Amino acid sequence: DGGITQSPKYLFRKEGQNVTLSCEQNLNHDAMYWYRQDPGQGLRLIYYSQIVNDFQKGDIAEGYSVSREKKESFPLTVTSAQKNPTAFYLCASRGLPSPWVGELFFGEGSRLTVL
Amino acid sequence: AQRVTQPEKLLSVFKGAPVELKCNYSYSGSPELFWYVQYSRQRLQLLLRHISRESIKGFTADLNKGETSFHLKKPFAQEEDSAMYYCALSGSSNTGKLIFGQGTTLQVKP
Repeated sequence: DGGITQSPKYLFRKEGQNVTLSCEQNLNHDAMYWYRQDPGQGLRLIYYSQIVNDFQKGDIAEGYSVSREKKESFPLTVTSAQKNPTAFYLCASRGLPSPWVGELFFGEGSRLTVL
Repeated sequence: AQRVTQPEKLLSVFKGAPVELKCNYSYSGSPELFWYVQYSRQRLQLLLRHISRESIKGFTADLNKGETSFHLKKPFAQEEDSAMYYCALSGSSNTGKLIFGQGTTLQVKP
């Protein structure tokens, strides 16, 4: 079954701890993205990567880190420096080249709660 | 600055009534605009894009550059249209970066 898999679906973290969210895709897509979804604020871009071993900051990268060692994997680490980490996190991917620049395929999301 | 605004958090209509979800954007170049939809317990997915000028599930959206709008319309709402709808903008660079609006929850009552 092709698609994007995010894990875990739910995660609880104590303040001061780092946590890593997994995102794996078997669509052979080159580009991958991490968005944060908060009520009333829509989706905001955290990081994105267009090729392996390369990634760029999005609009709200502070307190987050990523890696792209493999084409199919784009994990996101929420560090203790992120001031308000409780949120719903969405991973997405896109095949390149694509005639539709904005056609992203999304995972089911991970909900992080900081206690 | 690039921005997408969806002024309504919640739009509630009765089944069979017309629907219009508003979207306004701010962008200096030629944008590509999209509507994404998230049904209950499903993942976010692309509904339609302005460049293809298509109708999906009875929904249409026309890009109005003069009014910088991309409103989503459907003449007769169905209960299964109830979902969260996001308008999104992509700039000229081919990065796939999307700027999303705040989202509008559409509630179609029987």
